[in-house]
Amino acid sequence: NAGVTQTPKFRVLKTGQSMTLLCAQDMNHEYMYWYRQDPGMGLRLIHYSVGEGTTAKGEVPDGYNVSRLKKQNFLLGLESAAPSQTSVYFCASSYLQSWDRASYEQYFGPGTRLTVT
Amino acid sequence: DAKTTQPPSMDCAEGRAANLPCNHSTISGNEYVYWYRQIHSQGPQYIIHGLKNNETNEMASLIITEDRKSSTLILPHATLRDTAVYYCIVSLTGNQFYFGTGTSLTVIP
Repeated sequence: NAGVTQTPKFRVLKTGQSMTLLCAQDMNHEYMYWYRQDPGMGLRLIHYSVGEGTTAKGEVPDGYNVSRLKKQNFLLGLESAAPSQTSVYFCASSYLQSWDRASYEQYFGPGTRLTVT
Repeated sequence: DAKTTQPPSMDCAEGRAANLPCNHSTISGNEYVYWYRQIHSQGPQYIIHGLKNNETNEMASLIITEDRKSSTLILPHATLRDTAVYYCIVSLTGNQFYFGTGTSLTVIP
């Protein structure tokens, strides 16, 4: 199993450009997450999904959109990139442990380093 | 979900036990305590979790106080590879984690 993969690994954008980050998992997990990590900071949750076709806002959702059209993929979009969105983006997934609880372990991808100039 | 407080940094001698504290004084009855670590720029890695009882696995032990307002992660024999940022997280559902800034642990040879 490849686990959680992220595409691309690095990207440089100019202010105002748009792009989509792709996260894919092959573990048949129900939950998927997008985080961002700024220098010297912990991870902050952007959006998450509890299943195919569903998405929900996390701690810092502004400026981002997401889609979960297929169970194995979770896309993060930036419609008009800003320098404040320069960050490392991590995707993660977890399985459904019970009807109201995700599994205790989130499996993380290697990250995408995005620079907006 | 309850927020946590951790010391920003700690040092530990190689081979000794590393004890990382976490304060979560506003934790509610059904919230779990999770510990993750992040080595360099990699994605975080799960270590251990618990609700009320102390827990142990092959990586670490988790000691939760009786009132559940604080916990301690114990790495019994720290190695250089344990140098990382350690995050203490409290969550009800397990699908919304607030990582905070964590504790940067440096294991010294």
